Amino acid sequence: NAGVMQNPRHLVRRRGQEARLRCSPMKGHSHVYWYRQLPEEGLKFMVYLQKENIIDESGMPKERFSAEFPKEGPSILRIQQVVRGDSAAYFCASSQQVNYGYTFGSGTRLTVV
Amino acid sequence: AQTVTQSQPEMSVQEAETVTLSCTYDTSESDYYLFWYKQPPSRQMILVIRQEAYKQQNATENRFSVNFQKAAKSFSLKISDSQLGDAAMYFCAYRSSLMDSNYQLIWGAGTKLIIKP
Repeated sequence: NAGVMQNPRHLVRRRGQEARLRCSPMKGHSHVYWYRQLPEEGLKFMVYLQKENIIDESGMPKERFSAEFPKEGPSILRIQQVVRGDSAAYFCASSQQVNYGYTFGSGTRLTVV
Repeated sequence: AQTVTQSQPEMSVQEAETVTLSCTYDTSESDYYLFWYKQPPSRQMILVIRQEAYKQQNATENRFSVNFQKAAKSFSLKISDSQLGDAAMYFCAYRSSLMDSNYQLIWGAGTKLIIKP
């Protein structure tokens, strides 16, 4: 079992470009969570998804950010027209059931130049 | 809303000694979960220890133990016989047990632990 796989590990984008972050949950996990970690801070919840459904996106900015978890394939966190303030580490976690323990991926560090 | 506070940005300890990392939280709920996570330079978030609020007994995992004071809303982590591999950022996190929010972890800002050889 390969665990939660996130790619790319590092992503550099120029201001105004799009960033696509991928997360493949652990085998058998159908619940995916995205968190953002700004420098010198703890993680902040962004969005919770199940297959083909967004359950809670209350932590995600209303503009430029979107997330999906299709029936087939990884979960995608998409940031359009990136700005410098989007620079952060983005973590994905998955779980088998909603109140089971999470398994985290190693994160994607996004740098906007 | 719940909050988690880690008041020590950085701690250092001599190898083989014991260190305690502090965490306090604020909640009006009576049932919840508390966690300590370790984040080494690899960035992987690793679960160190977990405590259910309804359990009075403090959780332990080998060299890691907690001092859970529910009335004081305090949840400190004790690392005994510190090893070089313990060097990392340590995060305290809270999770509600309520159905509409029991999937979301609320995190402290972290404590950087330095191990001196």
